[in-house]
Amino acid sequence: QVKLQQSGAELVKPGASVKLSCKTSGYTFSTSYMSWFKQIPGQSIEWIGMIYAGDGGTGYNQKFKGKATLTVDTSSSTAYMDLSSLTTEDSAVYFCARGQLGGDYWGQGVMVTVSS
Amino acid sequence: DIQVTQSPSSLLASLGERVTITCQTSQSISNNLNWYQQKPGQAPMLLIYYATSLQTGMTSRFSGQYSGRSFTLTITSLEPEDIANYFCLQHYSAPLTFGSGTKLEIK
Repeated sequence: QVKLQQSGAELVKPGASVKLSCKTSGYTFSTSYMSWFKQIPGQSIEWIGMIYAGDGGTGYNQKFKGKATLTVDTSSSTAYMDLSSLTTEDSAVYFCARGQLGGDYWGQGVMVTVSS
Repeated sequence: DIQVTQSPSSLLASLGERVTITCQTSQSISNNLNWYQQKPGQAPMLLIYYATSLQTGMTSRFSGQYSGRSFTLTITSLEPEDIANYFCLQHYSAPLTFGSGTKLEIK
């Protein structure tokens, strides 16, 4: 069955960067899209962007350009998201999801806390 | 960006009751809208895609309809396991945008 397993919770200092992972199984990763989302607890969800694993092509929400960088490793069927220059406003739960139209299968989410 | 206005923000309903949640988009998106259910501490689950198609494995108590820029999610007979937050998402154009969510609780 389709599974998306995200890395564990992160506590990072302001100004630092963090790399989140999303390891997949149960489907053909190399011909699929992966989308990433941000959710501040108790709030709605924002679309960060998406990446096509076949060629690494990306599309970003303008709001997250320069903040998020999406990459993939097809050899391990894993997608990554780098978040840079973190501030307290980046504290949130981040989800990966298969597909480019919102996603049908989602990872369990990873909490990123930015605090000194 | 396409704005998605979701209502109500919260909803108290009785078990067995018919429940309707609405999303209105700021411009026409055809049927490019999904509905998601999210329980506390969990990832969203896809319920309805392309406005009216029930995702495989989801109960047929959920259904979606649309007319113009107005989209509805209906639960025909509320069950305890339906208590959750519900979000709509337009995927007609980037950036994809979500409604603000509806918190569904038991009366």
